[in-house]
Parts: sequence; structure tokens; C-alpha cells
Amino acid sequence: GAGVSQSPSNKVTEKGKDVELRCDPISGHTALYWYRQSLGQGLEFLIYFQGNSAPDKSGLPSDRFSAERTGGSVSTLTIQRTQQEDSAVYLCASSLAGGGAVDEQFFGPGTRLTVL
Amino acid sequence: KQEVTQIPAALSVPEGENLVLNCSFTDSAIYNLQWFRQDPGKGLTSLLLIQSSQREQTSGRLNASLDKSSGRSTLYIAASQPGDSATYLCAVFNQGAQKLVFGQGTRLTINP
Repeated sequence: GAGVSQSPSNKVTEKGKDVELRCDPISGHTALYWYRQSLGQGLEFLIYFQGNSAPDKSGLPSDRFSAERTGGSVSTLTIQRTQQEDSAVYLCASSLAGGGAVDEQFFGPGTRLTVL
Repeated sequence: KQEVTQIPAALSVPEGENLVLNCSFTDSAIYNLQWFRQDPGKGLTSLLLIQSSQREQTSGRLNASLDKSSGRSTLYIAASQPGDSATYLCAVFNQGAQKLVFGQGTRLTINP
């Protein structure tokens, strides 16, 4: 079946512009996660959704970052007034139930964001 | 705060060798541990998931072990092949925190 998909695969933007990144999780997966991978920082958690609600936003680095999920499916990560330090690969993952011993996370291919 | 460490950071071996990648974590209160593979410019591919109650998992030439009490996991790759060249990441899913915490990865190169 289809895996996690993300769009766009690459995004180049100018400093100060807003960007939207999209994630389509595996059908039927109720949990959705956003992570960021940048040089020198490794992979960092950003936000977790269970259904349409986000019980854990602790990883969002500033109030310029926001995310939503609609219909328990597609999620959008929005970065406002982008800065050069926002340049990174943004990865989305989904899992069947969210939490628990057997809950394997499956990752999308990522969106590479470059802020000039 | 959970911290995950992977040693070595990079490893280069000749084709055909068996090898071990190491992962350690500071907080043993985990639900599970996952090993991933990442090819350059690509996303993460899940290799193995070990539940906290399990000691090991096997998939083909890969075997992952977990010693939760000591905070350690190993990924054993048998009869390595050039196609195994990639970065290998381990990550733990903490109890009470809905997120994976990742190590920095081991960059593996298998030389033909």
C-alpha cells in the first residue's frame, strides 16, 4: 500500500516569506508526527497529532511554527517569516495508534527547505 | 531528559564482514526502540522495532538486541554488502512522551 507522502520534496524560499509543508499519512493511521533534521542537530521532534488534536507541541522551536491536521488525515506545517536557521529537512511520520509498545513509526521522504 | 548515543559515528568495512552498531540511552522507561536506515537525500526506512519486553528481533541479515536495564541496543549486520552502505539511526519511544528520541547515527560504508 501507499506510504507516507510529503510535498513539496524541495522548497527554496526567501527570508521572511511564509511556507507550507504537507504530509499525507498512511491511510488509517491516527498518529502523525513532524520532525526536523538539520546539520549538527540531528533529528528533532516538532509536534505530535492524535487524530486532529495536537497534545504535544513541545518541539516547535518558536511561535513562527504552527501545524494543523484535518479530517484525521492530511497535516500542514506552516513556518511564518522564515529565517535561515529554519533550513532543514522536515520529516513526517505516522503510526497506527500513537504510543505503546508495538507502535512502529513510518516516515515520509521529507521536504528539504532552503531559506536564502 | 532522554539522550541517545550511537557509537561509532562512522564505520568502514570490507564487503562480507559481520559488524555491530551500538546504541545507548539514558532513561530505561521506554516503550520500544526502532532502528532505521537513511540513504543520502532520502527519508527513513524502518528496519526493526523492538518492544520494551523483548530482547531481540531479526529480519533477514539484521538482528537487533535490547538490554533495557543497561540502556543498550545493538544492530548486528551479517555478511555485509555494498548496498548496506547508509546511515543507521536508532531511536527510543519514551513512556509518557509521544515522540521518538534519535541518536546522531552511524554512517556505514561497505567497500567492495
